[in-house]
Amino acid sequence: GDSVTQMEGPVTLSEEAFLTINCTYTATGYPSLFWYVQYPGEGLQLLLKATKADDKGSNKGFEATYRKETTSFHLEKGSVQVSDSAVYFCALKLRGSARQLTFGSGTQLTVLP
Amino acid sequence: DAGVTQSPTHLIKTRGQQVTLRCSPKSGHDTVSWYQQALGQGPQFIFQYYEEEERQRGNFPDRFSGHQFPNYSSELNVNALLLGDSALYLCASSQQGDSNQPQHFGDGTRLSIL
Repeated sequence: GDSVTQMEGPVTLSEEAFLTINCTYTATGYPSLFWYVQYPGEGLQLLLKATKADDKGSNKGFEATYRKETTSFHLEKGSVQVSDSAVYFCALKLRGSARQLTFGSGTQLTVLP
Repeated sequence: DAGVTQSPTHLIKTRGQQVTLRCSPKSGHDTVSWYQQALGQGPQFIFQYYEEEERQRGNFPDRFSGHQFPNYSSELNVNALLLGDSALYLCASSQQGDSNQPQHFGDGTRLSIL
């Protein structure tokens, strides 16, 4: 079945450090890929997405590139801030509007001042 | 423009009881999906409702049921509660005809089973 594997956390970085959170996927079809962020006590917010191979999603300094050859969608940010501390989820959605999201297990990020 | 709203925010029940959670989708959305997020885990898809019918279902027992109303709002019902049902229940809405647009999530209902 479809699945998403994320880098295990927690990840602790100092402010202004470079961030990478690895994500790989297995899918029977040709999925769209997403990164969601969850702040404490809140639901999920879409961070960025990519719908086809070689697409780069970006938002708020975060980037991820859809790599079909390696079935990966790694999240990166050049300089993290304390306010980026949250749980990050990689997810996929197969083609067709009725298809549900399949999530990874999440990666907890803590950024220290 | 109101986003996805869920009620209640928190709920405490005991084993064997029944619970109903509610969700109002984002304005303009007609499809509602429910997810269960256990502590420290990613959300797991429960089911999706469109045109007042269950369209797709994840790997959850029949104790989990739902309903969608003509105004697109939805309820999630869980019968015969188990300790393992303790989780954050998330509602997400989307528009059926626009598969490229992402789902929008509410802040969830935290259900605790004693």
